[in-house]
Amino acid sequence: AQTVTQSQPEMSVQEAETVTLSCTYDTSESNYYLFWYKQPPSRQMILVIRQEAYKQQNATENRFSVNFQKAAKSFSLKISDSQLGDTAMYFCAFILDGQNFVFGPGTRLSVLP
Amino acid sequence: DGGITQSPKYLFRKEGQNVTLSCEQNLNHDAMYWYRQDPGQGLRLIYYSQIVNDFQKGDIAEGYSVSREKKESFPLTVTSAQKNPTALYLCASIDDRENEQFFGPGTRLTVL
Repeated sequence: AQTVTQSQPEMSVQEAETVTLSCTYDTSESNYYLFWYKQPPSRQMILVIRQEAYKQQNATENRFSVNFQKAAKSFSLKISDSQLGDTAMYFCAFILDGQNFVFGPGTRLSVLP
Repeated sequence: DGGITQSPKYLFRKEGQNVTLSCEQNLNHDAMYWYRQDPGQGLRLIYYSQIVNDFQKGDIAEGYSVSREKKESFPLTVTSAQKNPTALYLCASIDDRENEQFFGPGTRLTVL
């Protein structure tokens, strides 16, 4: 079975500090895509960053970067210079063969002033 | 602007009633999805459709039904057989080229 685990149900970080959210997944496939989605209190799911499994280079998107360890099946998200607007639920997910997404249970991040 | 719209934003249902949630997209995506999200939980797949006039059950399809008569539209009906339907319902579609999933703003259903 394909699964995604996020071991941190809740986290908090001081404004301007750095925080890392962990994600591990399980799949026997070799070609897939990994994602981090953000869901703020408005409930709108927003794509934060994506990583193609065949690419070794870690993806970055402004203050957001990932540490992708394919052999360990680990895909952590680092948020630098945290801002109050980063407060949200963060979901790790992957997609196989362009069809179905598998989502983790989410990590609730609170950025404290 | 391209995107996914869901209506209504809030919906209240009496026990024993069927209700239909609307989902429309103008992104020209073939695949569309319905997820259920309970408070503080992740997303669970209800139904998905890869192409018009075809759809597949997800992990929690019991008590739900869908149709896909047009590429742009993928309505979800919550039937009276769904005993605990209070949740947030999210509709999504996939850009096949980028393998990126786009989401609508959700419909929050409450059973009175």
